[in-house]
Amino acid sequence: QQPVQSPQAVILREGEDAVINCSSSKALYSVHWYRQKHGEAPVFLMILLKGGEQKGHDKISASFNEKKQQSSLYLTASQLSYSGTYFCGTYRAFIEGGSNYKLTFGKGTLLTVNP
Amino acid sequence: DSGVTQTPKHLITATGQRVTLRCSPRSGDLSVYWYQQSLDQGLQFLIQYYNGEERAKGNILERFSAQQFPDLHSELNLSSLELGDSALYFCASSAGTSGKGSYEQYFGPGTRLTVT
Repeated sequence: QQPVQSPQAVILREGEDAVINCSSSKALYSVHWYRQKHGEAPVFLMILLKGGEQKGHDKISASFNEKKQQSSLYLTASQLSYSGTYFCGTYRAFIEGGSNYKLTFGKGTLLTVNP
Repeated sequence: DSGVTQTPKHLITATGQRVTLRCSPRSGDLSVYWYQQSLDQGLQFLIQYYNGEERAKGNILERFSAQQFPDLHSELNLSSLELGDSALYFCASSAGTSGKGSYEQYFGPGTRLTVT
């Protein structure tokens, strides 16, 4: 089940803030965030684990509400380099209680930062 | 540069043909993942290998197969190609694999496949 991201697109001026949301209908083990610039590969930003542990980017923050299976990515004081498509990936077992897992990505949020 | 390499960068082939995409993971990474990215479907997980063994299977068609070799490089084989298989194919690697999903994935530059 693909997570749902919102908004689909957002346009900012340099220095403005943005929030990108990601929600899932299934129980999650973790949420991953990646950024992809046009014509390039996705680049890892953050992992948010159940229990509050986080790994990743020190200039970007995110939250993970385990009960609601929702995550938000907070981009503050945006820079031109933040432009790109942001994907959230939800990590869970194929079958509840199983031992095989997969990362399912949302359709992405296109962020454009203008001068 | 993520440290993951993929060859070839571009591939143009005809319907019905078979192609092989190659991926070398980052040094020390044991896990390799294959993804397909198309405009309408987004980034779709195909299959994962961990230290030579298949670990998880996603939306991979029966016409597609993959393997990971003892030196940890991986190949994705696509056969009986159809127009709809045209897409960007990414390989990613991670140091390990866990039930918590605590390992970040590093993506290669991708192989753009065009089926004519």
